[in-house]
Amino acid sequence: KQEVTQIPAALSVPEGENLVLNCSFTDSAIYNLQWFRQDPGKGLTSLLLIQSSQREQTSGRLNASLDKSSGRSTLYIAASQPGDSATYLCAVRTGANSKLTFGKGITLSVRP
Amino acid sequence: GAVVSQHPSRVICKSGTSVKIECRSLDFQATTMFWYRQFPKQSLMLMATSNEGSKATYEQGVEKDKFLINHASLTLSTLTVTSAHPEDSSFYICSASSTDRGQDTQYFGPGTRLTVL
Repeated sequence: KQEVTQIPAALSVPEGENLVLNCSFTDSAIYNLQWFRQDPGKGLTSLLLIQSSQREQTSGRLNASLDKSSGRSTLYIAASQPGDSATYLCAVRTGANSKLTFGKGITLSVRP
Repeated sequence: GAVVSQHPSRVICKSGTSVKIECRSLDFQATTMFWYRQFPKQSLMLMATSNEGSKATYEQGVEKDKFLINHASLTLSTLTVTSAHPEDSSFYICSASSTDRGQDTQYFGPGTRLTVL
């Protein structure tokens, strides 16, 4: 059974800092991995999707990497801003038609 | 990007009543819709997957007679929580995917906060 872990549960950083959010999964045979953002009381916004054959994806100040063999992914946020404050969820899919398995998320607070 | 809406955004009901939540894909035809439940500070848990015109497939431990899912059209799925109890209070989120838009991607709705008194 696939399990996704995100540690720590919460993180507070000063504005402007570069930061890394970690995600680990127990079954390395994944189809793809996705990072989402969730604002309080809201739904999910997809940030980056990495296929199993890829090592990283970039979008603006965000960069996500994938190391399947070690069961890890990181989300790198450059030059953090208060508007980046949200919960970041990692989710993996083990097959093309399989469900998404989510981590509990990391709640990020960027202090002005 | 694709837009998925949910209605209502918040609902408060008395214990024992039934509540219906709607999930709509506004600008694409959703061949598959998913219903998730999220408790505070917990991850999203998939409840069921529904394909248009077919019966929903429920995850282990989810009571199909309590959480009725109907996916009658390519743009609408409904989740009805029957005989709701306080322990059903949660954040319910739907998502939709389409073969036309790449089945890999799920587009999520804004969620519905259910509070059962």
